[in-house]
Amino acid sequence: SQQGEEDPQALSIQEGENATMNCSYKTSINNLQWYRQNSGRGLVHLILIRSNEREKHSGRLRVTLDTSKKSSSLLITASRAADTASYFCATAPGGGNKLTFGTGTQLKVEL
Amino acid sequence: EAGVAQSPRYKIIEKRQSVAFWCNPISGHATLYWYQQILGQGPKLLIQFQNNGVVDDSQLPKDRFSAERLKGVDSTLKIQPAKLEDSAVYLCASSGPGNNEQFFGPGTRLTVL
Repeated sequence: SQQGEEDPQALSIQEGENATMNCSYKTSINNLQWYRQNSGRGLVHLILIRSNEREKHSGRLRVTLDTSKKSSSLLITASRAADTASYFCATAPGGGNKLTFGTGTQLKVEL
Repeated sequence: EAGVAQSPRYKIIEKRQSVAFWCNPISGHATLYWYQQILGQGPKLLIQFQNNGVVDDSQLPKDRFSAERLKGVDSTLKIQPAKLEDSAVYLCASSGPGNNEQFFGPGTRLTVL
């Protein structure tokens, strides 16, 4: 079963704009990870945020985590056409490393 | 550093036939995972190995799917017999010490006719 649900399912923006996608999950977690998937490079790990962290940055990526609401958001700033891909959140339960992926957000960045 | 290797990249079979997929993880990665990704969905874990032992196979349909990692390095996933609903991309991933970030292979796209 899918643990996470991403919102929106699809997002289309112009190059240079920011993209925000959200993830909700159901059970307690050890960490939450975001992955990107496109036809060129497959599924690639972007960033990991632990359950005791609230915000994390990596380059143009900013991830927030609210464990009280069981939700996370991924912000991509100054988007580029190369950011066009599907983005998945994946959660690992407390004490384990088994990942459960969400349904994904399809991001399209247009020139 | 070489990534996770998988073969074949594509496979088309008829229902009730058998198929096998191969995965070679990143050198030194003790943990290996097989995922099934159906079109439009996120990957679903089928089985997780730690070295040559099974850690989790709770979502593996054991009546038709089997997997092994005999020497704790490369792994094979087999489906016998295949059903139409097995059409999906089969992804292999591996992780090293700490086991947090998983590195994925390019996947095998299976079509069952």
